[in-house]
Amino acid sequence: QKEVEQDPGPLSVPEGAIVSLNCTYSNSAFQYFMWYRQYSRKGPELLMYTYSSGNKEDGRFTAQVDKSSKYISLFIRDSQPSDSATYLCAMRDTGRRALTFGSGTRLQVQP
Amino acid sequence: GAVVSQHPSRVICKSGTSVKIECRSLDFQATTMFWYRQFPKQSLMLMATSNEGSKATYEQGVEKDKFLINHASLTLSTLTVTSAHPEDSSFYICSTPPRAGGASEQFFGPGTRLTVL
Repeated sequence: QKEVEQDPGPLSVPEGAIVSLNCTYSNSAFQYFMWYRQYSRKGPELLMYTYSSGNKEDGRFTAQVDKSSKYISLFIRDSQPSDSATYLCAMRDTGRRALTFGSGTRLQVQP
Repeated sequence: GAVVSQHPSRVICKSGTSVKIECRSLDFQATTMFWYRQFPKQSLMLMATSNEGSKATYEQGVEKDKFLINHASLTLSTLTVTSAHPEDSSFYICSTPPRAGGASEQFFGPGTRLTVL
């Protein structure tokens, strides 16, 4: 079993839809949770960063962390074609500074 | 956020040659840098951690003699793929560690796509 599970997609939605992306994890020591966006053949770009449980909102993006369920989510409101990319969840514990990544979900927003 | 550069962005080489990839932290000094590898349609997997002033630490299954890492300064880390083979073809990405205090995000370079013929 992988430490971090993420549905690879692809997920195809119409422009303007609300997108929900999710990851589950098995390591209860994870404390820091991130969402990265990666365009084809580019490095990952940090979208959201959350420490421990709770919600965080930034513009059209909302990140949620439920540590009791070992489940994290990223919501994208009013999705745009420019949001089409691969979304990677990543996380780490306090003792390890490198990140453990999910496999990424490929999102396609249709105009 | 931090700015991380990588060079080259893309390299094609013949089997058996060595390739050096540079990773620079442009706006802060890093005593460590992380090197990840990403195969097509797969996630990023940590390969090794470069440490300024000491040896790099490698993840299980990564050959230290094949992937030579040097943390030359507080702003430069290099990864050399020695005697490259087609199975080494991948996307190599470096990242900064969390900043002081541990509770901060990490930033990634743009990546280097290596193709070994």
